Amino acid sequence: EPEVTQTPSHQVTQMGQEVILRCVPISNHLYFYWYRQILGQKVEFLVSFYNNEISEKSEIFDDQFSVERPDGSNFTLKIRSTKLEDSAMYFCASKRVDVSKLFFGSGTQLSVL
Amino acid sequence: DAKTTQPPSMDCAEGRAANLPCNHSTISGNEYVYWYRQIHSQGPQYIIHGLKNNETNEMASLIITEDRKSSTLILPHATLRDTAVYYCIVMGTGANNLFFGTGTRLTVIP
Repeated sequence: EPEVTQTPSHQVTQMGQEVILRCVPISNHLYFYWYRQILGQKVEFLVSFYNNEISEKSEIFDDQFSVERPDGSNFTLKIRSTKLEDSAMYFCASKRVDVSKLFFGSGTQLSVL
Repeated sequence: DAKTTQPPSMDCAEGRAANLPCNHSTISGNEYVYWYRQIHSQGPQYIIHGLKNNETNEMASLIITEDRKSSTLILPHATLRDTAVYYCIVMGTGANNLFFGTGTRLTVIP
């Protein structure tokens, strides 16, 4: 079965540094998502992306965050200047246009020191 | 976003059926009930969804009450690998974004 692939699986960074989390969605999917999960808390929606633009974003997704589809296969989440509270597991997801079922990647564990 | 209510935790003996309830009393006519699960910090995994009829697939069965105000996810023969947090989510036709609540933590006991 096709999978959403995320790299790296773990990322450690210093506070204030920029990080880019990478995702390869399933090839025939056109909706892309980023979610995050702080340890012990629920999975939180960050942003959805369709037709090369942000479709919806949450309050968490402030100016420090950006998303990009730099080519036909990758979907990235950039955090410009990381804070300690950005430490979390970040999940990428994708779906087809005609169904509501989301497929999730295995996540990137981001640790900000 | 709290359109659903689930018990925070449940236990189930290995090999027995696990019945996970969900209340969605404010569901509207065009909203589906979706179930996902998350096994120990892995990415959430789709299980099943339904509108008003009962549904079954290779993973589970979904029973939706006639008034659609509640539903039950049934794992017919729970295994240790079914230990996870199970999320019941209401999502409208044509909706594209999924919002998670706190779910039910199911522990399958040997």
